Amino acid sequence: EADIYQTPRYLVIGTGKKITLECSQTMGHDKMYWYQQDPGMELHLIHYSYGVNSTEKGDLSSESTVSRIRTEHFPLTLESARPSHTSQYLCASSWTSGFNEQFFGPGTRLTVL
Amino acid sequence: AQTVTQSQPEMSVQEAETVTLSCTYDTSESDYYLFWYKQPPSRQMILVIRQEAYKQQNATENRFSVNFQKAAKSFSLKISDSQLGDAAMYFCAYTSNTGKLIFGQGTTLQVKP
Repeated sequence: EADIYQTPRYLVIGTGKKITLECSQTMGHDKMYWYQQDPGMELHLIHYSYGVNSTEKGDLSSESTVSRIRTEHFPLTLESARPSHTSQYLCASSWTSGFNEQFFGPGTRLTVL
Repeated sequence: AQTVTQSQPEMSVQEAETVTLSCTYDTSESDYYLFWYKQPPSRQMILVIRQEAYKQQNATENRFSVNFQKAAKSFSLKISDSQLGDAAMYFCAYTSNTGKLIFGQGTTLQVKP
């Protein structure tokens, strides 16, 4: 089983609050990713990182931001949550080689009231 | 741009029977990987099987096998001897040397006892 963790698993929060979704992996992977997934729908890449101090925006525009100060940690932050941010957020990691599989965390289900 | 299409939003199979999930993709690249991921309800997404584009032989993993038709850009997943635990959402995904995964829309598989 992949050693990639996300906290919290569920979060219900009011509009305007600042939130940080945590993601950590213990596999030493260089690459990390954040996906957004609405219930029963496909995953969309919103952020990725190729290593420490590297962050890039994904294919789906997102108001969230990310940081990569340590290899194992890739937090996602929303400065001011809105109901449109309600979704599931999945974190993943992989080795540097482009063709290696991505290992996924359990996800954070975010509800903004 | 690369795209992945799963045309079956839902599929159903009787326990112990065989089911095939369809996936087509579009790319102009010659070197890439294809994956099938399984996402059980409220559980972690896991890799089921992967196929290297340069390999002609279809990948197999126990009860799971693929039918990879490179010229037709088709990548179907066959599940033999279906079990109740196979019930999940299945995603077809594509990656090239960027390491970024492009997902299909997903197919929800129901397994009937």
